[in-house]
Amino acid sequence: NAGVTQTPKFRILKIGQSMTLQCTQDMNHNYMYWYRQDPGMGLKLIYYSVGAGITDKGEVPNGYNVSRSTTEDFPLRLELAAPSQTSVYFCASKTQGTNTEAFFGQGTRLTVV
Amino acid sequence: QQQVKQSPQSLIVQKGGISIINCAYENTAFDYFPWYQQFPGKGPALLIAIRPDVSEKKEGRFTISFNKSAKQFSLHIMDSQPGDSATYFCAAEVGPFSGGYNKLIFGAGTRLAVHP
Repeated sequence: NAGVTQTPKFRILKIGQSMTLQCTQDMNHNYMYWYRQDPGMGLKLIYYSVGAGITDKGEVPNGYNVSRSTTEDFPLRLELAAPSQTSVYFCASKTQGTNTEAFFGQGTRLTVV
Repeated sequence: QQQVKQSPQSLIVQKGGISIINCAYENTAFDYFPWYQQFPGKGPALLIAIRPDVSEKKEGRFTISFNKSAKQFSLHIMDSQPGDSATYFCAAEVGPFSGGYNKLIFGAGTRLAVHP
């Protein structure tokens, strides 16, 4: 099973450039999440989605956008990259309800120069 | 408030010792408290979890202690092994009938090193 797949694994962006981080899951999970991980800061929730067409902001949504047109895919869009967005980004998915495990992708390491 | 506070930031334990990581929260809407383990270059993976109606849960060498009145929970790793060296995250999930249902919030993480 593929689980949660993120692409690309690494990316270097110049300030002001845009890009989309891709996330797809094959477990038919309703819930999907985007986190960023900065050293010593843990995982900060950017956006999450409870199903196709439904998204909501997390703790640090500024500078990002998401869409959820299908159950499988939950792309994260950076419109105007800034050095502060240099981080490791993780996508996760889980089935509906509490008391269920979230499955994480391998992460995307993004550097903005 | 959605914050989950975790301590310590780093921890060094000798092989065979007990590792203890603590977390605290404010939001009473949290309904599920998982712990995740992350090895370098990998995504976090679920280690053990607890509901607030239970005061303790044990799985092998890993135990969660939960104090609902103090809004605190902790992870204890008994007989710590070098293979346990990883970053550990506590987390909390918003329960049903609350705004932001299923929002999953993580602590800052604890980097554990178990020395042989």
